[in-house]
Amino acid sequence: AQSVAQPEDQVNVAEGNPLTVKCTYSVSGNPYLFWYVQYPNRGLQFLLKYITGDNLVKGSYGFEAEFNKSQTSFHLKKPSALVSDSALYFCAVRDIPLGYSTLTFGKGTMLLVSP
Amino acid sequence: SQTIHQWPATLVQPVGSPLSLECTVEGTSNPNLYWYRQAAGRGLQLLFYSVGIGQISSEVPQNLSASRPQDRQFILSSKKLLLSDSGFYLCAWTGSTDTQYFGPGTRLTVL
Repeated sequence: AQSVAQPEDQVNVAEGNPLTVKCTYSVSGNPYLFWYVQYPNRGLQFLLKYITGDNLVKGSYGFEAEFNKSQTSFHLKKPSALVSDSALYFCAVRDIPLGYSTLTFGKGTMLLVSP
Repeated sequence: SQTIHQWPATLVQPVGSPLSLECTVEGTSNPNLYWYRQAAGRGLQLLFYSVGIGQISSEVPQNLSASRPQDRQFILSSKKLLLSDSGFYLCAWTGSTDTQYFGPGTRLTVL
């Protein structure tokens, strides 16, 4: 089965500084990778995905992610963090456990951006 | 554009009572639909998946069930709630791509 790991429970960064939220994956075949963000008591919002092509994927709200095949990583990045970026971030990978396509999510990383 | 709705937004139910949560999608046809549960504000657990009317796949055996009576309607039910059923329930849909789009969620508290 496919899986993703988010090694950090929490990431702290000061506003204006660059941020990175880490994700590593384990897949057989070509990976389909996703990032989602969740604000308190809300549903998950899609940020970006990697299917194929350019290793640097640009998404919503100024976020981007870098796909690295040799390191099996798909880290989420933003050049300058905002306090409003504080939220729970999930990495996910497409999986086909029983013949249908679904997503397997990491456990999430809480991002806290301080003023 | 597509929109996904869930209701109710919050629910407080006693142990042993029945449950019905509803999810509807607008602006698309024949979506794949999903029910997830999120406990303690963290990891998501896939509960059910549906590719069409009346077609339900269960990921986790438990006292919950799902039904899809119409193309864009997905219902999560229970005959008797347990304390462990408390959590944040999320519905999601996909169309022709693998990207899942989530509803706003239902916060269920079982007392």
